[in-house]
Amino acid sequence: DAKTTQPPSMDCAEGRAANLPCNHSTISGNEYVYWYRQIHSQGPQYIIHGLKNNETNEMASLIITEDRKSSTLILPHATLRDTAVYYCIVRVPRGGGSYIPTFGRGTSLIVHP
Amino acid sequence: GAGVSQSPSNKVTEKGKDVELRCDPISGHTALYWYRQRLGQGLEFLIYFQGNSAPDKSGLPSDRFSAERTGESVSTLTIQRTQQEDSAVYLCASSLGASGLYNEQFFGPGTRLTVL
Repeated sequence: DAKTTQPPSMDCAEGRAANLPCNHSTISGNEYVYWYRQIHSQGPQYIIHGLKNNETNEMASLIITEDRKSSTLILPHATLRDTAVYYCIVRVPRGGGSYIPTFGRGTSLIVHP
Repeated sequence: GAGVSQSPSNKVTEKGKDVELRCDPISGHTALYWYRQRLGQGLEFLIYFQGNSAPDKSGLPSDRFSAERTGESVSTLTIQRTQQEDSAVYLCASSLGASGLYNEQFFGPGTRLTVL
């Protein structure tokens, strides 16, 4: 019951920018978009989150469209260590009044030399 | 200091046996989550705790699955009468809370369960 749509796989040359798209057309007005990544055999790791404005941190940039129906995660200079599955997440309301991050299948990004 | 820890890291069991998987969240995190990840798949939500209570158990795949949390700390996921389809990596995460607009989850390394 993931509320996001991502391409199953992408590839990128080392040193180039990796642009990972995500559609979240049913996102509610006050809900954040989160990005996590999962390197093989590890637990997912938080990357970045945003609401309306574009965001940047030491790992990545997040561009959110004005209508908030889609976003793009940008890894400005991809390295081989960025090879991972990238998850775009919005939270789903669950019992007890809480909102739980729901992970789809994500995008498998392969960075090649 | 640490992050979320899980034990065992690997568990191989025979079909029909019971298994217990343990999660130690980050100290002070009131919310704790269990997910299951089958090979090549995304994360499947199982259950979450706010404090020691589990408000939503609807993600548990069958009544063979149960979980508890004590002392707003350690959680145990128990699978009774294991089946081969239970083979997966079981991931635990914790966060400061589960309500509010933003709560970053911190994940453990997972327990890889193999049911023969």
